[in-house]
Amino acid sequence: EAQVTQNPRYLITVTGKKLTVTCSQNMNHEYMSWYRQDPGLGLRQIYYSMNVEVTDKGDVPEGYKVSRKEKRNFPLILESPSPNQTSLYFCASRGVAGRVYEQYFGPGTRLTVT
Amino acid sequence: AQKITQTQPGMFVQEKEAVTLDCTYDTSDQSYGLFWYKQPSSGEMIFLIYQGSYDEQNATEGRYSLNFQKARKSANLVISASQLGDSAMYFCAMREGEDSGYALNFGKGTSLLVTP
Repeated sequence: EAQVTQNPRYLITVTGKKLTVTCSQNMNHEYMSWYRQDPGLGLRQIYYSMNVEVTDKGDVPEGYKVSRKEKRNFPLILESPSPNQTSLYFCASRGVAGRVYEQYFGPGTRLTVT
Repeated sequence: AQKITQTQPGMFVQEKEAVTLDCTYDTSDQSYGLFWYKQPSSGEMIFLIYQGSYDEQNATEGRYSLNFQKARKSANLVISASQLGDSAMYFCAMREGEDSGYALNFGKGTSLLVTP
């Protein structure tokens, strides 16, 4: 089954404690991306990657890091989380063939930073 | 500037009726794509429908259709024969350019409640 998986699905942590949210896709997609969703703001892109070792900032990259060492994985790293990073996070992927317009979203990770 | 505008924070519709969710967009690109996603209370993002800027026909997917008016820069979602399970948040989104770094610009969403 084609899917994007994220782990963990729920996380409560404290300010300053480094964390990583993993994202993996099994569709051999070139493009992967991270979004955060906040009430009343819709989804905003944090970082994206167009292929292995190619990443770039989205609209709200401050406080986040990413890496793309393998095609299937695109982890989101919060080196020193702060309460304003409390949000719902989505990973997404898209290919360059077939229904290229269709993005596949992961199930979301709900992060609370206290 | 906001690239996607959804002016209806909340909508009500009675079961079996049709409903239109509004979306206007702002771009100077000639090539772009427009999307609608559904987000139920469980949180996942579900792709509904896509319209390319060069597509001459309005997109349709089952009970969903996209009323694409290019000159007015609008891409309204029409849901026919509403069902209780259609109650959810709905997001309009746009991707600009042939390949603009994969970014989707999302609107703030419309909350739809379908009543019996």
